[in-house]
Amino acid sequence: SQTIHQWPATLVQPVGSPLSLECTVEGTSNPNLYWYRQAAGRGLQLLFYSVGIGQISSEVPQNLSASRPQDRQFILSSKKLLLSDSGFYLCAWTRGGVGGELFFGEGSRLTVL
Amino acid sequence: AQSVTQLGSHVSVSEGALVLLRCNYSSSVPPYLFWYVQYPNQGLQLLLKYTSAATLVKGINDFEAEFKKSETSFHLTKPSAHMSDAAEYFCAVSEANYGQNFVFGPGTRLSVLP
Repeated sequence: SQTIHQWPATLVQPVGSPLSLECTVEGTSNPNLYWYRQAAGRGLQLLFYSVGIGQISSEVPQNLSASRPQDRQFILSSKKLLLSDSGFYLCAWTRGGVGGELFFGEGSRLTVL
Repeated sequence: AQSVTQLGSHVSVSEGALVLLRCNYSSSVPPYLFWYVQYPNQGLQLLLKYTSAATLVKGINDFEAEFKKSETSFHLTKPSAHMSDAAEYFCAVSEANYGQNFVFGPGTRLSVLP
């Protein structure tokens, strides 16, 4: 069966510090991968998605970046965090093709102070 | 372009009462529709999905949703609410010709009163 894991689960970082959130999918190959963010009391905002190694599409211009160094690994990064980067970050995957659902990780709570 | 609206950011029902969460979508092509549930500090879990088969879709935990093309709606229902149903619910759409692009509604928080 397929599983998705992301870490760390909770992170408290000062403004201006770097960020690295990691997501790994197991039990499938060539998944489409996504990073979403939920700000407090708000819906899901798509940040990045990837259809293959090294292929990243950005939906929102910001100080975040994403990378996919391996088929089932998706990393969200920042060189310098802003207060507005606080939120709940969700990694998700889906199989290629149409009609498939998104499978979400457990989420990473980021607080920037 | 796709869009999803969920009427009511917060819905309260009594335990044992009918749950009705509303979702309307906008899509230029036949859509795929999904309902997800999110408990505090957790990821989203799929409740059910519509993929152009039966218009009445049954999901987990006795939830079901009906696709109504004429009304562009995909409302979620459950006959009898349980305390454990208290959570945030999200409706989402992806289009048949661009299946990797998911658009989520703003969510509805369901409270279940004893």
